[in-house]
Amino acid sequence: AQSVAQPEDQVNVAEGNPLTVKCTYSVSGNPYLFWYVQYPNRGLQFLLKYITGDNLVKGSYGFEAEFNKSQTSFHLKKPSALVSDSALYFCAVNTGGFKTIFGAGTRLFVKA
Amino acid sequence: NAGVTQTPKFQVLKTGQSMTLQCAQDMNHEYMSWYRQDPGMGLRLIHYSVGAGITDQGEVPNGYNVSRSTTEDFPLRLLSAAPSQTSVYFCASAPWSDSGTSAITQYFGPGTRLTVL
Repeated sequence: AQSVAQPEDQVNVAEGNPLTVKCTYSVSGNPYLFWYVQYPNRGLQFLLKYITGDNLVKGSYGFEAEFNKSQTSFHLKKPSALVSDSALYFCAVNTGGFKTIFGAGTRLFVKA
Repeated sequence: NAGVTQTPKFQVLKTGQSMTLQCAQDMNHEYMSWYRQDPGMGLRLIHYSVGAGITDQGEVPNGYNVSRSTTEDFPLRLLSAAPSQTSVYFCASAPWSDSGTSAITQYFGPGTRLTVL
């Protein structure tokens, strides 16, 4: 069965510092991996996705993620955090079917 | 484009009542889905559709029905509401053919917050 783990409920960083939000996955085939962000009282918004090719994927708002097949990870990163990046972040995986599986979410708090 | 719209924004039901959550999209997307979001559990797929007249179950389909009579609309019906169905419900849509794979980018509605007493 497919699964996604986000091991941290919350990540705290200071504005201007680099941030990492972790995601690991377990699938039986080749994964398609996603990151979405949810701001308060809003629906989810797409950030980036990995399909194939370059392991470093660049997305919206300066975010990027690195696909690591050997470690089955897809961590979200940003070189310099902004207070406005504070939100709930979801990692998700799909292995070619019609169902996308989401992680439990990680709350990012960026302090000014 | 309005994108994905959901009504109502909030709803309170009593146990045993039925209701329909509405979802519409104006992007001509083939794929539509319903999720519920619960604290600490992320989003769980309830039902999905890959086109008009075609629906299938997700992870947690019990207690919910769907239909897809048009490309635009994908209503979710709660047959007999239970307190365990208290949640935030999100509808999403995606163009199935945007990448030639199932790595579809989903566009989410603003959600419906449902409380069942």
